[in-house]
Amino acid sequence: QKEVEQNSGPLSVPEGAIASLNCTYSDRGSQSFFWYRQYSGKSPELIMSIYSNGDKEDGRFTAQLNKASQYVSLLIRDSQPSDSATYLCAVNRDNYGQNFVFGPGTRLSVLP
Amino acid sequence: KAGVTQTPRYLIKTRGQQVTLSCSPISGHRSVSWYQQTPGQGLQFLFEYFSETQRNKGNFPGRFSGRQFSNSRSEMNVSTLELGDSALYLCASSLEGTGSSGNTIYFGEGSWLTVV
Repeated sequence: QKEVEQNSGPLSVPEGAIASLNCTYSDRGSQSFFWYRQYSGKSPELIMSIYSNGDKEDGRFTAQLNKASQYVSLLIRDSQPSDSATYLCAVNRDNYGQNFVFGPGTRLSVLP
Repeated sequence: KAGVTQTPRYLIKTRGQQVTLSCSPISGHRSVSWYQQTPGQGLQFLFEYFSETQRNKGNFPGRFSGRQFSNSRSEMNVSTLELGDSALYLCASSLEGTGSSGNTIYFGEGSWLTVV
């Protein structure tokens, strides 16, 4: 079992719809969780971080964390064609430093 | 505020050569980590430096090494290059690498390495 798993996609949604991206992780002791967006040929950029169970909202983005189920999700409301990218789920294995494990990424395509 | 700066952006090397990549973190950030991204393996953690000391290390051979200077700038070196080392090498920085806000990492634009 890989440490961080995501559906590779592609996930296609129409413009204006809600895109739902899912991620599971295997290390139950993980404390820090992140979503990054990566456009083709570019470096990853941070969308959101989440540390506590529940929802965290930032504009059109909502991250959800359920540590009991070892599950993290990202919802994108009112999806735009500019949201078309690969979304990377990341878990920091080390609470006292950097030791990130990234999922394989989910490719999202928002259709006009 | 300037972001993470990596140089060079693109380079081509021959098998057996070595390469050094440079990274300047965001001002005030003390933790620098390095990642390799390839289509087959995805984004993989190489190592992290904090206060000039390697604090974490991923599962890469000893040909991959790094260091951090007193101004938090970092370099990574790959010796005896192999074709499989062709990848995007990403540097990321964070404030201190600990705690709920200090461990968020921000990536540079990366260095594209091609080994021929």
